[in-house]
Amino acid sequence: QKEVEQDPGPLSVPEGAIVSLNCTYSNSAFQYFMWYRQYSRKGPELLMYTYSSGNKEDGRFTAQVDKSSKYISLFIRDSQPSDSATYLCAISGYQKVTFGTGTKLQVIP
Amino acid sequence: DADVTQTPRNRITKTGKRIMLECSQTKGHDRMYWYRQDPGLGLRLIYYSFDVKDINKGEISDGYSVSRQAQAKFSLSLESAIPNQTALYFCATSDPGETANYGYTFGSGTRLTVV
Repeated sequence: QKEVEQDPGPLSVPEGAIVSLNCTYSNSAFQYFMWYRQYSRKGPELLMYTYSSGNKEDGRFTAQVDKSSKYISLFIRDSQPSDSATYLCAISGYQKVTFGTGTKLQVIP
Repeated sequence: DADVTQTPRNRITKTGKRIMLECSQTKGHDRMYWYRQDPGLGLRLIYYSFDVKDINKGEISDGYSVSRQAQAKFSLSLESAIPNQTALYFCATSDPGETANYGYTFGSGTRLTVV
């Protein structure tokens, strides 16, 4: 079993839709939870991070962590064509970071 | 200038050749990493370095070596390239302080093709 599982997609949605991206993890020792966004031919860039269960909001983006279920989500409201990218979850603990394989998102105008 | 610069951006090389990928950073971070990214496999850690005198193997170090020439420079070498090393390679840095566990800054990547 992989330490972090992420649905690879691709996910295609119309502009303005709410997008839900998800990851599950197996190691309860993980402490920090991140989402990276990667545009084509670019490196991943940190989008959001959190270290506790619950929600964290930043503009149109909301990161949600449920430690009891070992489940993390990223919600994008009012999705825009500029949100088209691959989204990677990343989970960290004890100096080790494990990345999900990424979900490719396309927002259609 | 980018915070993390990787050269070259693209490279095609032949099987058996030695190749070096270079990374330099202006973030002032002590920690540097090399990852490779493959479709369906995600990012996998090759080597990492927490300071100039510290080099550590990651999960897929076989066939690779690294050199930390300075705080700002970390190079990755393929001693004898083979086709299954065809991938997208990323260098990253992090800060050993508050963001050590989550604040990675990545370069734009090197697309390497071994033929």
